[in-house]
Amino acid sequence: QQQVKQSPQSLIVQKGGISIINCAYENTAFDYFPWYQQFPGKGPALLIAIRPDVSEKKEGRFTISFNKSAKQFSLHIMDSQPGDSATYFCAASLPSTGRRALTFGSGTRLQVQP
Amino acid sequence: DAGITQSPRHKVTETGTPVTLRCHQTENHRYMYWYRQDPGHGLRLIHYSYGVKDTDKGEVSDGYSVSRSKTEDFLLTLESATSSQTSVYFCAISGTDTQYFGPGTRLTVL
Repeated sequence: QQQVKQSPQSLIVQKGGISIINCAYENTAFDYFPWYQQFPGKGPALLIAIRPDVSEKKEGRFTISFNKSAKQFSLHIMDSQPGDSATYFCAASLPSTGRRALTFGSGTRLQVQP
Repeated sequence: DAGITQSPRHKVTETGTPVTLRCHQTENHRYMYWYRQDPGHGLRLIHYSYGVKDTDKGEVSDGYSVSRSKTEDFLLTLESATSSQTSVYFCAISGTDTQYFGPGTRLTVL
């Protein structure tokens, strides 16, 4: 059962454009929603994260928008750069003590063309 | 990679052989995790640990076992490797919500 659905699978954006990646979750008990960025041959690295008590969080060119009623959240990359070309994963975790394991989406491969 | 090393980084083995992957951290974090990454599936949790000798199963634990005898080391063992276990394996650590991932181990089972 895929609890976090991510779209699109791949995305091509021109330099300077806005990249938008969407995720939908099923379990309303999730309370932490991070986005990870992964370059080829590397481990995922935390990009930005949000909790469901806020609707938006911004860090530099990266923004998470969160819609609790729709059970959806999205990553917006403003002024996309070729260096942003990577695979992006959304994730979610439960507030279980001692666990905090992440449930990941299937990933979006972003290519920013110069 | 937040003080996390994985060994080996690459391994090719044959079906039916046992394989052990090692994750070592220098951050003294309590929680450690093993994930596998496969195309189209993102990362999926295999096992996790919430302290020395305290471990539990994740969503894809069949065919895997783990051990944690020291805070800094978390071992993943494939008792009898199968071709379906060909994957990239990532270790992660966390002290609170944020998980930090290691560089990964690419395992090929022939």
